[in-house]
Amino acid sequence: TQLLEQSPQFLSIQEGENLTVYCNSSSVFSSLQWYRQEPGEGPVLLVTVVTGGEVKKLKRLTFQFGDARKDSSLHITAAQPGDTGLYLCAVILTGGGNKLTFGTGTQLKVEL
Amino acid sequence: GAVVSQHPSWVICKSGTSVKIECRSLDFQATTMFWYRQFPKQSLMLMATSNEGSKATYEQGVEKDKFLINHASLTLSTLTVTSAHPEDSSFYICSAGWGQSTRGYTFGSGTRLTVV
Repeated sequence: TQLLEQSPQFLSIQEGENLTVYCNSSSVFSSLQWYRQEPGEGPVLLVTVVTGGEVKKLKRLTFQFGDARKDSSLHITAAQPGDTGLYLCAVILTGGGNKLTFGTGTQLKVEL
Repeated sequence: GAVVSQHPSWVICKSGTSVKIECRSLDFQATTMFWYRQFPKQSLMLMATSNEGSKATYEQGVEKDKFLINHASLTLSTLTVTSAHPEDSSFYICSAGWGQSTRGYTFGSGTRLTVV
């Protein structure tokens, strides 16, 4: 059983469409991060959310942390081909070295 | 700031040989580094935590004798895949944490290992 389950696993959409990616867990976290990874590269941090119910915006990306701090969502408005990539949620496990643990990932492809 | 450099970016080796991957923190000291493995279209799976000056701690199911980790200085951690086999072919990524309150993690650009 994965600590962080993401859905959908794969998503292929047309340019201009909106989409939402979900990150769910049965555990409570003090914070949650979202990363984007492009092929052949390491993940790049997009945002960190720390407060239950918090909403953060990064241009066309909107991130929300669930009220109970067990889940999070990433909404992209008017997707562009440049948004293509692997989106990963992640949490820091403080018991034993602050290990960053990733969700199962959502592969997004935005086509013209 | 907080840049991690990983080398090589790709390597092809023969089955049975060993391969060393280096991970350097360029502008900060990293007492802890992390090694991940990633298969195509999948997420990153943590293999081990590299601790400067002490033994690495491995995640469950990761063979410590096969994946040797050395963290001899505050800016360098190495992962050696020993007696590599085709099933070890994967994308290996290192990471280091920085900062206390912000808990940032920066990643190397990864190493594509192909064992033939």
